[in-house]
Amino acid sequence: DAGVIQSPRHEVTEMGQEVTLRCKPISGHNSLFWYRQTMMRGLELLIYFNNNVPIDDSGMPEDRFSAKMPNASFSTLKIQPSEPRDSAVYFCASSLQAPFDTIYFGEGSWLTVV
Amino acid sequence: AQSVTQPDIHITVSEGASLELRCNYSYGATPYLFWYVQSPGQGLQLLLKYFSGDTLVQGIKGFEAEFKRSQSSFNLRKPSVHWSDAAEYFCAVGADNDMRFGAGTRLTVKP
Repeated sequence: DAGVIQSPRHEVTEMGQEVTLRCKPISGHNSLFWYRQTMMRGLELLIYFNNNVPIDDSGMPEDRFSAKMPNASFSTLKIQPSEPRDSAVYFCASSLQAPFDTIYFGEGSWLTVV
Repeated sequence: AQSVTQPDIHITVSEGASLELRCNYSYGATPYLFWYVQSPGQGLQLLLKYFSGDTLVQGIKGFEAEFKRSQSSFNLRKPSVHWSDAAEYFCAVGADNDMRFGAGTRLTVKP
């Protein structure tokens, strides 16, 4: 079975550019998470969707970040405009039903903003 | 909302020695508890989870964890560490429809 699929795996972009990260959750999973991981801040929950509806976006750093889930098989995380401090690994993860089911992580999107 | 604390940022053990990684949580009731492992350049993988019942939970790769309600803890243990166990370990708490992760503990294994 395919796991959580993220794209791109690596992206290097210039400050001020728009960045779009994409995620395809595991088929049948109802919960989708976006996490950001940095050395300084560890693993942070950015936003969580349940049945395509954003439930908790309190972790989204600021208005430059936005996330959508137009259907059960696709989600995007957009940063506009990007800044060097956004450089991090962004993980998408999904589970059958939070909070009690196992979360399955994608391999991450490694973002560098120069 | 729930929170989780991993007091140890970095632990070094010798191969073959025993291991205990600490995890404390804060939540009004008993949450769902998880331990995940992250190898370099990879996403996180589930080691084990606790929902209810027996407070000693067995996981993959020879790991186990014990839930102690009185201490709000869910410590991860392994009796004999292998070099391949070197990784970062995350404790996670599931409650109120979301999942929160601790800051992680990096494990180094000495030959």
